[in-house]
Formats: sequence, structure tokens, C-alpha cells
Amino acid sequence: EDQVTQSPEALRLQEGESSSLNCSYTVSGLRGLFWYRQDPGKGPEFLFTLYSAGEEKEKERLKATLTKKESFLHITAPKPEDSATYLCAVRVQGSGGSNYKLTFGKGTLLTVNP
Amino acid sequence: GAGVSQSPSNKVTEKGKDVELRCDPISGHTALYWYRQRLGQGLEFLIYFQGNSAPDKSGLPSDRFSAERTGESVSTLTIQRTQQEDSAVYLCASTQPMGSDTQYFGPGTRLTVL
Repeated sequence: EDQVTQSPEALRLQEGESSSLNCSYTVSGLRGLFWYRQDPGKGPEFLFTLYSAGEEKEKERLKATLTKKESFLHITAPKPEDSATYLCAVRVQGSGGSNYKLTFGKGTLLTVNP
Repeated sequence: GAGVSQSPSNKVTEKGKDVELRCDPISGHTALYWYRQRLGQGLEFLIYFQGNSAPDKSGLPSDRFSAERTGESVSTLTIQRTQQEDSAVYLCASTQPMGSDTQYFGPGTRLTVL
């Protein structure tokens, strides 16, 4: 069974204090790893897709990396507006072309204090 | 253009009643997905539409749950004889046709069953 585990469950940082969120996965046939940001009362907002080990993507203060077993979301000099729940999801190779659905982790709740 | 929209944003119902949740995908998006997000849990896949066909209904929790889609437009998720364990946020997502795998989410419908 495909599994996605995110850690820590919650992280509290001071403004400017850099850190990383972890997403470890156990799947057969990864077809993409996705990072989303979710603010309270809203739907997930797409951030990045990574497809192969060694790939990296950046957006403002966020940088996502991928290995064969896990992905990291690095947050450099975070600001209070970066506070949100960050979700990791995987898309896997399925039979009969059923590789469309995403399997999500439970998320990491990030709080950045001013 | 406009994003994915869902209605209602909140729904409170009594146990045993039927509810209908609506999703309007981004115009031109052929694939549509329903997910459920229960408190403290990751998003759970429910059903996937390609056009108005649902090739995979395996995520629907029970036969009380059903969904339909009109062409490549609106989708409705119906829950019959609601139970308290159905309380959750129901999220809809859509993707562009032909090869794009980024799922764009709506704001969700928060369902509370009393």
C-alpha cells in the first residue's frame, strides 16, 4: 500500500529562522511528488511538482528537493505570511492507466512568529 | 480565469438527511476529482471523472455516496442518509487535458452532520 508520511506534524519558527519539512514515501512507481499549501478554510494551493531524484524547484523562500525515498521543503528566512499547512502528495503508476489520483500525507502545520 | 468553485461553502444537516455538494471546475478542464478531508487526516480520494465518465469509483466509502458529472462541466456529489462520520471538508479538483497532472483545488464544502 502506498504511504506518505510528513514530519513534523507541527513546526513553530521565528521570523527569519530557516528550516525544512520532510515528506517520506513508500510507493511503487512514483509518477510525481506534489507540494501544496493550505490556509485555514481554503483548498490546497499548488506549489511544486517533482518527478525524479535529484530534481529541485524554487519559489520565493521555498525550495523543494526529491530523493528516492523522501522530499524536503526548505523554507529560507520565513515570514509570518508563510504560516500554513503544507501538504505532500504522490501520484503513482497504476494498472490500466489509473495513475491519476493523489495520495496525501497528513500535512505539517507551520507557524512563523514575528 | 476563474478557479474551481464549490457550493455551498458550509452545510449543516441532520443525521439521515440527503445532501448534494456541487463543483464547478476550471473551464476546459476535462478531469475532475473529489476528495474528503476529515479532521486530522490527509485528503482521501473519492472519485475521478474523465469527461462525464467515472472510470474509478473505488474511493467512495459506501453506497450512500454517489457522484455525477454533466459533460465536462459541473459535478455533484450526493450523500444519502448522512451519518455523523460523514462530517468532513469535501474538496473538488480539476486538471487540464492532455498530459497535465497538476490538480487545482476548490475551496471545499464543510459538511457537518448533527
